[in-house]
Amino acid sequence: AQSVTQLDSQVPVFEEAPVELRCNYSSSVSVYLFWYVQYPNQGLQLLLKYLSGSTLVESINGFEAEFNKSQTSFHLRKPSVHISDTAEYFCAVSSTPAYSGGGADGLTFGKGTHLIIQP
Amino acid sequence: EAGVAQSPRYKIIEKRQSVAFWCNPISGHATLYWYQQILGQGPKLLIQFQNNGVVDDSQLPKDRFSAERLKGVDSTLKIQPAKLEDSAVYLCASSRDRTGEQYFGPGTRLTVT
Repeated sequence: AQSVTQLDSQVPVFEEAPVELRCNYSSSVSVYLFWYVQYPNQGLQLLLKYLSGSTLVESINGFEAEFNKSQTSFHLRKPSVHISDTAEYFCAVSSTPAYSGGGADGLTFGKGTHLIIQP
Repeated sequence: EAGVAQSPRYKIIEKRQSVAFWCNPISGHATLYWYQQILGQGPKLLIQFQNNGVVDDSQLPKDRFSAERLKGVDSTLKIQPAKLEDSAVYLCASSRDRTGEQYFGPGTRLTVT
């Protein structure tokens, strides 16, 4: 069984300030890690993912996350936030596929963190 | 490419009634998922299909929920009879391969009164 903990339900931050959204996971098997974002009145969109290789992954809009296996964490960071970053952010994990030819395993999500950007 | 399509977008029913949701995944995506997202929580996987076979339905309340994926393309999720606690957004997602990236539809918001 897997679980994901997002410790902060809401994170208020001033525009142009740095932000970190915390994510910890628990799993007995190897995992893939994801951050999804849900903008107001929109569907879930993939922000970034860690599958293997470099533990630091980046998105096209300035977010980055680092996979820390020893601490079982995948925290999301941005050095300078913009008002348009206001959204709900979900951390998720899935098991790495157990056999070839199969599809991706289903995701286990955290409860989400609401990022509130204050002008 | 067109995204994951879902209908209806909104549905209001009374408890003990039945309801069905439809999903059309991205063309060529063999794996399809249904998630339930209750207000204030993250999505929870209900069922996963690989083509038209069920891979994982361990969290599907099978006494009232059912799902099928005919011909390995479109899928329907049914609730019969509905309970108040079924009020949620039902999300459909699809993926093409083993890399784990899932593409989500806009969801169907169900309100049970």
